[in-house]
Amino acid sequence: GNSVTQMEGPVTLSEEAFLTINCTYTATGYPSLFWYVQYPGEGLQLLLKATKADDKGSNKGFEATYRKETTSFHLEKGSVQVSDSAVYFCALTETSYDKVIFGPGTSLSVIP
Amino acid sequence: ETGVTQTPRHLVMGMTNKKSLKCEQHLGHNAMYWYKQSAKKPLELMFVYNFKEQTENNSVPSRFSPECPNSSHLFLHLHTLQPEDSALYLCASSQGMASGTIYNEQFFGPGTRLTVL
Repeated sequence: GNSVTQMEGPVTLSEEAFLTINCTYTATGYPSLFWYVQYPGEGLQLLLKATKADDKGSNKGFEATYRKETTSFHLEKGSVQVSDSAVYFCALTETSYDKVIFGPGTSLSVIP
Repeated sequence: ETGVTQTPRHLVMGMTNKKSLKCEQHLGHNAMYWYKQSAKKPLELMFVYNFKEQTENNSVPSRFSPECPNSSHLFLHLHTLQPEDSALYLCASSQGMASGTIYNEQFFGPGTRLTVL
C-alpha cells in the first residue's frame, strides 16, 4: 500500500540555519506530493505541493522537489526563522482517490 | 483562516456523557473528513464523506458516530468515550472525487481538543 516516511525529530535549529526534512514515499501509481505545516494550536495547512516528477513546489522560502527515481520529496529552507517552529507533515494522494496519506510529522524548533 | 471552522475548540467530558463536535466549511467543497491527532502518533483518518455519502470508515469504534446533513456541515457524535480517546480532532474539506482535479488539497479546521476524564 501507499505510505510516507519522514524523519520524526524533534529537530532543533538556530535561527538562520539551513533546514532539511527528509521524506520518502511508497506508491503504486503516480501520486501528488505535499508538505503541510501545523503551527502550535492550529490545524494543518498546505505549505507546498508537486504533482509530477521533477516538479518543484515552493512557498515562504521552503522548497521541495518531486524525485521519482529516489521516491523522495525532501523539504528545504535556506535560512529558518523562529516563526517556522511547527510540525511539518509530508503527504501524498493518489490521483483517483480522495484519501491523503500523511507521514508521522517532524517537529521543528528554531531558537534565536 | 482556512474557511473551515470547528466548535467547540476545547471540550472536557466524562465517560458517560454525550457530546457532539461540529465542523462547517465555507469553501463550496463536496468532501469532508474527520481525523484524530494523538500525541506521538501519526494522523489517523476516521471518516470520509463525499457528496454527503460516507465513503470511508477506518475501523472506528461505534462510540464515534459521524453525521453529514449537507456538504457544508459535518458532525461527530460522541458517547461513552474512554480516556484514550482524548486527542485533537481535526476536520478537513476538499473539492471531492468528482471535481476532476489531479490532486486533492485538503483544508483543515483548527481542531477540537477533547479531554475524556
